[in-house]
Amino acid sequence: EDQVTQSPEALRLQEGESSSLNCSYTVSGLRGLFWYRQDPGKGPEFLFTLYSAGEEKEKERLKATLTKKESFLHITAPKPEDSATYLCAVRSRGSSNTGKLIFGQGTTLQVKP
Amino acid sequence: DTAVSQTPKYLVTQMGNDKSIKCEQNLGHDTMYWYKQDSKKFLKIMFSYNNKELIINETVPNRFSPKSPDKAHLNLHINSLELGDSAVYFCASSQDGDRIYGYTFGSGTRLTVV
Repeated sequence: EDQVTQSPEALRLQEGESSSLNCSYTVSGLRGLFWYRQDPGKGPEFLFTLYSAGEEKEKERLKATLTKKESFLHITAPKPEDSATYLCAVRSRGSSNTGKLIFGQGTTLQVKP
Repeated sequence: DTAVSQTPKYLVTQMGNDKSIKCEQNLGHDTMYWYKQDSKKFLKIMFSYNNKELIINETVPNRFSPKSPDKAHLNLHINSLELGDSAVYFCASSQDGDRIYGYTFGSGTRLTVV
């Protein structure tokens, strides 16, 4: 069964204190791994798609990496506006025709000034 | 111009009532979804429609009935609402090609059943 586990559940950082969020997955053939940001009262906002092990993508202070078993979202010198819940999701080759995403439970990040 | 829009944003209703949530996307995507987010922020797929055709029904009680009049619209009707239906419901859309791309989510409908 396809599964996604994110850790930690919650993370509190001081402004400027870099860290990483983890997303471990088991899937029957990965078609894509997604990172989303969700602010309170809003829908998930797309950040990155990673397709194969070794791939990396960057956007401002965020960098996502992918191995065969996990993905990391590295946050460099975070600012208070980076505070949000970060969601990881996978789509398996088995769900190619359905478009189904399997989500992790998210990591809630709080960055204090 | 909102890409995926849902209405209403908030819905408070009594047990036993019937309610609907509407969703529209202006991205030209072929596939639309309903996801449910529980109080622990866990997102789980409920339904998937591709070009108006139902693709996924994830063991959702048949009190929930999706309807897609065209590929830009996907509505969710819920009969005989129960306390456990309280959650945030998200509509999303996607377009597949040789590669898959990020899904676009609406802003959510917070349903509270009292």
